[in-house]
Amino acid sequence: QQQVKQSPQSLIVQKGGIPIINCAYENTAFDYFPWYQQFPGKGPALLIAIRPDVSEKKEGRFTISFNKSAKQFSLHIMDSQPGDSATYFCAASIQGAQKLVFGQGTRLTINP
Amino acid sequence: NAGVTQTPKFRILKIGQSMTLQCTQDMNHNYMYWYRQDPGMGLKLIYYSVGAGITDKGEVPNGYNVSRSTTEDFPLRLELAAPSQTSVYFCASFRGIQGTEAFFGQGTRLTVV
Repeated sequence: QQQVKQSPQSLIVQKGGIPIINCAYENTAFDYFPWYQQFPGKGPALLIAIRPDVSEKKEGRFTISFNKSAKQFSLHIMDSQPGDSATYFCAASIQGAQKLVFGQGTRLTINP
Repeated sequence: NAGVTQTPKFRILKIGQSMTLQCTQDMNHNYMYWYRQDPGMGLKLIYYSVGAGITDKGEVPNGYNVSRSTTEDFPLRLELAAPSQTSVYFCASFRGIQGTEAFFGQGTRLTVV
């Protein structure tokens, strides 16, 4: 029940395309869903996050879509650029538990 | 600001050796975590701490030990290294308020041969 399942494991998109990364969870107690971005040789860094009381959140070219009934959420990157090439992790946590449960990660490549 | 600093960046250990991975943060965060990252497996929580003197096990604690004598430092100890512990290890810290960011160090790449 503590798992977050992420797909796909890897994704290649042409510049300007819209990569979509999906995550699913089982534990309905999760109430905070961040996405982290990791460049090679670096630690993950917070990209964008959402709470289950909203269905969508946008920050620049990055959008999270959230479907509470399906227990799924996804990351969309508009007008993707080669500089967006990185590994992306979805995560979930429970208020008060202060522990992040991570998905398996998606290695995204944006070709020029 | 230094943020979260991990040392060493790389290390090769022989089976059965021991070592300590160092982690220090300068943000006065109460919460600190150790994760390991294996290809295709995401980040798995090894141990975490909610404050000095308080530690608890995560998902994959076997083969590791931690201590938290100060707010700043959270070292991870490997007592008898095994090939299964070959991984990239990340330390992270968090202020403790949900909705705020967890900050990660740059990682330690450990190979056990």
